Amino acid sequence: SQQGEEDPQALSIQEGENATMNCSYKTSINNLQWYRQNSGRGLVHLILIRSNEREKHSGRLRVTLDTSKKSSSLLITASRAADTASYFCAEETSGSRLTFGEGTQLTVNP
Amino acid sequence: DTGVSQDPRHKITKRGQNVTFRCDPISEHNRLYWYRQTLGQGPEFLTYFQNEAQLEKSRLLSDRFSAERPKGSFSTLEIQRTEQGDSAMYLCASSWGQGNDGYTFGSGTRLTVV
Repeated sequence: SQQGEEDPQALSIQEGENATMNCSYKTSINNLQWYRQNSGRGLVHLILIRSNEREKHSGRLRVTLDTSKKSSSLLITASRAADTASYFCAEETSGSRLTFGEGTQLTVNP
Repeated sequence: DTGVSQDPRHKITKRGQNVTFRCDPISEHNRLYWYRQTLGQGPEFLTYFQNEAQLEKSRLLSDRFSAERPKGSFSTLEIQRTEQGDSAMYLCASSWGQGNDGYTFGSGTRLTVV
């Protein structure tokens, strides 16, 4: 499958710090989405950014998109222990399939 | 509406047996998707339906896999003659149209083939 790449694979920070995760993709996209997954559970949709958008905010989340570099970043500000989870980016191309990256495992230490 | 429901949550089966999973999407959603996720990896697309029509299938969906969505409501995913390599989390998601508000995922069915 054509999965994008996420960086870093794992990130450990202290509560209150900001967490930044990066995602690169390979094809032209309709939009790029970020999901969160707690261990052994399903995915929860966090935020969607369209190909004609450059930045989007939702609460403590900030997503950027650079289509020239085929990359996106997710910033979580003022992290909490409850933010501990795996975070995945997913590119949506034509045809409605999502192609996920391998994810970033975020650990927020209290 | 309680979101996307998947049943069972866990399934352990012997190699060679057939298994069937069920997904109940959000009732207003016309699209339903199946993904497979192995440990440490992101989900991989298997197939999707718009209403009752199966519109796209991944090459991952071998002849042993079949998915249906009768009447455009719930969906079933059947795996025949299971192999150890089929062990994974099977995730179902639904959306209205192309999912411009994102997709809603169920909690998944974890399959272990022994």
